[in-house]
Amino acid sequence: SQKIEQNSEALNIQEGKTATLTCNYTNYSPAYLQWYRQDPGRGPVFLLLIRENEKEKRKERLKVTFDTTLKQSLFHITASQPADSATYLCALAPDLNTPLVFGKGTRLSVIA
Amino acid sequence: GAVVSQHPSWVICKSGTSVKIECRSLDFQATTMFWYRQFPKQSLMLMATSNEGSKATYEQGVEKDKFLINHASLTLSTLTVTSAHPEDSSFYICSASKTSGYNEQFFGPGTRLTVL
Repeated sequence: SQKIEQNSEALNIQEGKTATLTCNYTNYSPAYLQWYRQDPGRGPVFLLLIRENEKEKRKERLKVTFDTTLKQSLFHITASQPADSATYLCALAPDLNTPLVFGKGTRLSVIA
Repeated sequence: GAVVSQHPSWVICKSGTSVKIECRSLDFQATTMFWYRQFPKQSLMLMATSNEGSKATYEQGVEKDKFLINHASLTLSTLTVTSAHPEDSSFYICSASKTSGYNEQFFGPGTRLTVL
């Protein structure tokens, strides 16, 4: 069956460290993968999109990697801050005409 | 740009009543709008996709007669939960896309529905 898994429900890290979140998928061949941030009681906010032919994407303190062999994406936040505390969702789409499938998210807590 | 609003942000209703949730794209025209439902600690689950002026496409397992979607204009879509029951209590989130594809969606802030 098709699955998308974010293997940590929660992650606690010290301020200033790099947070690394993992998204694994099974029985998909996604055309692209996205990462979103969701704060409690709010809708998701788009962060980054990475396509199947891209290995890495960066945006300020954020970095996403995409390994289609391992069927995995890693999401990194460098120099983490308490304001980065939120739930981070990965979502993938087999192609542009197929709905996004979301993972359950990883709740990140950055401790000062 | 690309701001999506939802109204109301939260609503409490009695079992058996109907509730309407509005989703608006404030600064762009949304070719396509999407409705999701999210239970606590769960993924966003797509309920339906709607294009302006046409009938919504519902995902498998979503009752179209219970969750009525109207996409009356390029900036407004409504979701009506008819004859609501406590199990319909959830967080409903809409998103909007400037194109007919799924890849660039802008999400609203969500509506918390509680059915007593």
